[in-house]
Amino acid sequence: AQTVTQSQPEMSVQEAETVTLSCTYDTSENNYYLFWYKQPPSRQMILVIRQEAYKQQNATENRFSVNFQKAAKSFSLKISDSQLGDTAMYFCALKLTFGKGTLLTVNP
Amino acid sequence: KAGVTQTPRYLIKTRGQQVTLSCSPISGHRSVSWYQQTPGQGLQFLFEYFSETQRNKGNFPGRFSGRQFSNSRSEMNVSTLELGDSALYLCASSQSTGTPNRGEKLFFGSGTQLSVL
Repeated sequence: AQTVTQSQPEMSVQEAETVTLSCTYDTSENNYYLFWYKQPPSRQMILVIRQEAYKQQNATENRFSVNFQKAAKSFSLKISDSQLGDTAMYFCALKLTFGKGTLLTVNP
Repeated sequence: KAGVTQTPRYLIKTRGQQVTLSCSPISGHRSVSWYQQTPGQGLQFLFEYFSETQRNKGNFPGRFSGRQFSNSRSEMNVSTLELGDSALYLCASSQSTGTPNRGEKLFFGSGTQLSVL
């Protein structure tokens, strides 16, 4: 069975600062993909970033980047220059298994 | 392209009733998956359908069932509703092929908020 664990139910950050959301997972597979999804108050879930396990280079999408540690089964999301619009629930996912989410609040 | 459409947006039912939720995927997407979202449990996977066949199933009781039609539209049914079934139900579609590689991006609908009284 696959599991995804997000140990931070809530986090807050000041606008323009950097924040890191944690995620650990467990799987017996060698080839897999990991995802971070964002769910703003509108409830519309959107993909933030995706990482293929075979790629050693960490994925980056503008202000969003990941720190992927395959051996440690860790997949954290770093948000740089946080903006008010980043306020949302963030879900880490492995295949169709999601973590419980981290509610991120960006304060002005 | 139109996004994933879920109907209805809100639903209120009483215990013991049954409910059917609908999900229309993005045109061309053949995979539809369903999730239950509650404040304490996050997103829990219910099941996935691909080409009218259930391909994966989560750990939910048999009261939760689904199906997919030839046009890829999917329905989810919950029978004998319980108070604990109150949740946001999300569906997602993807351009999955017959061989799941699980690198596909999921496109989510806005969900159906179900309240059981």
